[in-house]
Amino acid sequence: ETGVTQSPTHLIKTRGQQVTLRCSSQSGHNTVSWYQQALGQGPQFIFQYYREEENGRGNFPPRFSGLQFPNYSSELNVNALELDDSALYLCASSLAGTSPNQETQYFGPGTRLLVL
Amino acid sequence: AQKVTQAQTEISVVEKEDVTLDCVYETRDTTYYLFWYKQPPSGELVFLIRRNSFDEQNEISGRYSWNFQKSTSSFNFTITASQVVDSAVYFCALGLYNQGGKLIFGQGTELSVKP
Repeated sequence: ETGVTQSPTHLIKTRGQQVTLRCSSQSGHNTVSWYQQALGQGPQFIFQYYREEENGRGNFPPRFSGLQFPNYSSELNVNALELDDSALYLCASSLAGTSPNQETQYFGPGTRLLVL
Repeated sequence: AQKVTQAQTEISVVEKEDVTLDCVYETRDTTYYLFWYKQPPSGELVFLIRRNSFDEQNEISGRYSWNFQKSTSSFNFTITASQVVDSAVYFCALGLYNQGGKLIFGQGTELSVKP
């Protein structure tokens, strides 16, 4: 196990609702990345947080937003849920030295979100 | 454009067979990083290996070995004497230096090892 934890493990929401997913990074790690993995697909990068700021962002609309806290834990918020948001949401942590862009990412178990 | 292709969607082998999972990547960057992750049915991505673009040395770890060839933009993964516990989906991923931590994943190869 990597020490990265995510909550909740499963979640069911209806279209139009809002959801918050949480991630605690591995001890000593200061960077958190979020990915969306649809069924049968590879994970897609949503964004990365480093020093409590967004360091990079993938091709996701603004209704996907995040936060990183001083203890390096992180939240992913999704507003106005759509059916296509149903997926496994993975959080990964890493330890950034001079740059957060080149460190190995260690993943948590994920949160399975179902939007009805 | 940056891209990772895992052409093998599913592979089925019998225990103790050797199996190679193919990965081909595309990037114009000279500095990049390649990874292999294993995803068992539980869903968690398990890190297996990382290779930097400037290090083409192949690596062996127990029954696992990796062959990195920049000339063909490939980073293939071989499991020797496969075991049932190796059954999982395997992902190859590409990381770039100036992409804000983004990893680009392939579609994955589902490996089934039968007893």
